[in-house]
Amino acid sequence: QLVLTQSPSASASLGASVKLTCTLSSGHNNYAIAWLQQQPEKGPRYLMKVNSDGSHTKGDGIPDRFSGSTSGAERYLVISSLQSEDEADYYCQTWGTDFGVFGGGTTGFGVFGGGTKLTVL
Amino acid sequence: EVQLVESGGDLVQPGGSLRLSCSASGFNFRSYAMHWVRQAPGKGLEYVSTIYTTGGDTEYADSVKGRFTISRDNSKNTLYLQMSTLRADDTAVYYCVKGTVGRIMITFNSWGQGTLVTVSS
Repeated sequence: QLVLTQSPSASASLGASVKLTCTLSSGHNNYAIAWLQQQPEKGPRYLMKVNSDGSHTKGDGIPDRFSGSTSGAERYLVISSLQSEDEADYYCQTWGTDFGVFGGGTTGFGVFGGGTKLTVL
Repeated sequence: EVQLVESGGDLVQPGGSLRLSCSASGFNFRSYAMHWVRQAPGKGLEYVSTIYTTGGDTEYADSVKGRFTISRDNSKNTLYLQMSTLRADDTAVYYCVKGTVGRIMITFNSWGQGTLVTVSS
C-alpha cells in the first residue's frame, strides 16, 4: 500500500535552515513526489517535484532557498535562510497506480502525506 | 499564467446535493487531467477525484465513490463535481487542481483558491 509519512511538526530559527522529510512506504522507493506549501488561510502552492534520483524541478517563482533531495525512500525539502513567511504547513504528494488483475483496468489515485507544520522561531 | 477559479460551495443539509464548478484558463485545458482535492477544517489534504482528458475515464476516492461524479466540458474549459447524498464528513474546502501531463506519476502543480462546502442541518 502506497503511503507517505511526514512528521507532524518541525521548528527552526529565523535565518536558519530546516530539512523536512517525506518517507515513501516499502516497495515504492522509485516514486517521485511533489512538495506543497500551504500558508495560513491560503490554498496550497506547488513548490517542486523531487525524483528518486535526487533531481528536482521547482515551480515558477519558487526562491532558490527551497531545494529538494532524495535518500532511498526519503524525499527531502530543504529551506535555507528561513523567513517568517515560510511558517506554513508542508505536504508531500504522489500518484499511485493499481494494475487490475484478471483483466481489470488500471486505476490511479492521488496520495498525500499528513503534512508537517513548520514553525519559524 | 494558470488560473483555476472554483465556485458553487454552499451550506447544504445532510443527504442533499451540490455541484461545484472550476473555470480554468492560462493553459490548454483539454490536454490535462484535472482533479478535485478537499481539506476538512483543521485537517490535511484528501484526494477526491480525477478526470482524464477526454472525460471518459475517471477515478474516485473510496470515500466518495458512488456519491460524487466528476465531469468536464472542454469547450468551456470547465471542471465540475456533482456531489450527492452529502454527509457531515464531506464538509471541507474543495480545491480544483491541475496536474502534470499523462496518467502516471502525476503531481498536482496548480491549485485554485478553494470553495467551502458545509454539510449541516
